[in-house]
Amino acid sequence: KNQVEQSPQSLIILEGKNCTLQCNYTVSPFSNLRWYKQDTGRGPVSLTIMTFSENTKSNGRYTATLDADTKQSSLHITASQLSDSASYICVVSSPGSNDYKLSFGAGTTVTVRA
Amino acid sequence: DAGVIQSPRHEVTEMGQEVTLRCKPISGHNSLFWYRQTMMRGLELLIYFNNNVPIDDSGMPEDRFSAKMPNASFSTLKIQPSEPRDSAVYFCASSPQGGGNQPQHFGDGTRLSIL
Repeated sequence: KNQVEQSPQSLIILEGKNCTLQCNYTVSPFSNLRWYKQDTGRGPVSLTIMTFSENTKSNGRYTATLDADTKQSSLHITASQLSDSASYICVVSSPGSNDYKLSFGAGTTVTVRA
Repeated sequence: DAGVIQSPRHEVTEMGQEVTLRCKPISGHNSLFWYRQTMMRGLELLIYFNNNVPIDDSGMPEDRFSAKMPNASFSTLKIQPSEPRDSAVYFCASSPQGGGNQPQHFGDGTRLSIL
């Protein structure tokens, strides 16, 4: 069973609207949680990285929240634009010998329509 | 600033052939990662280098896969012999000193098709 579950699998929203993506994880111990945006045909690009002590972090119109107690995170997109159409991947890092162990969610595909 | 550069962007070859994927990490980054992405399994870490030394290759599927990092600015992932089930997008990523709280910077990948 995947240790990082994302929902919904996909969603369609109208340009200018807001949306929220969910990420639940069972990874333990926990080091940090990352959200990546992956455009079609491109590599993932980091949006936010949050450690245990952070419960919110913003990057422009993207705001991520983290509840380490319930092991849940969300990514909120405000005033969506056509360029927000992409796959959004939640990644949880576990402390390892070199702090690189990452568990990937399957991603949420967002389609923004005019 | 140049990002992570991968080549080729696309590769189509027949099963049994040797495939070599190349990666140039961001200058100054000391960690390098090779990933594979498929629809079925998502992103999977294959191997991780730190300061040119392979740290963990437990994600390498089998002995047909090998990776090298001869210097800080170049890495290769080789598949020999290739099989149709190796078809996927292969990403290289690098990150700076600082360990797990640093973002990984991904290249745009090599789309590999084995016929």
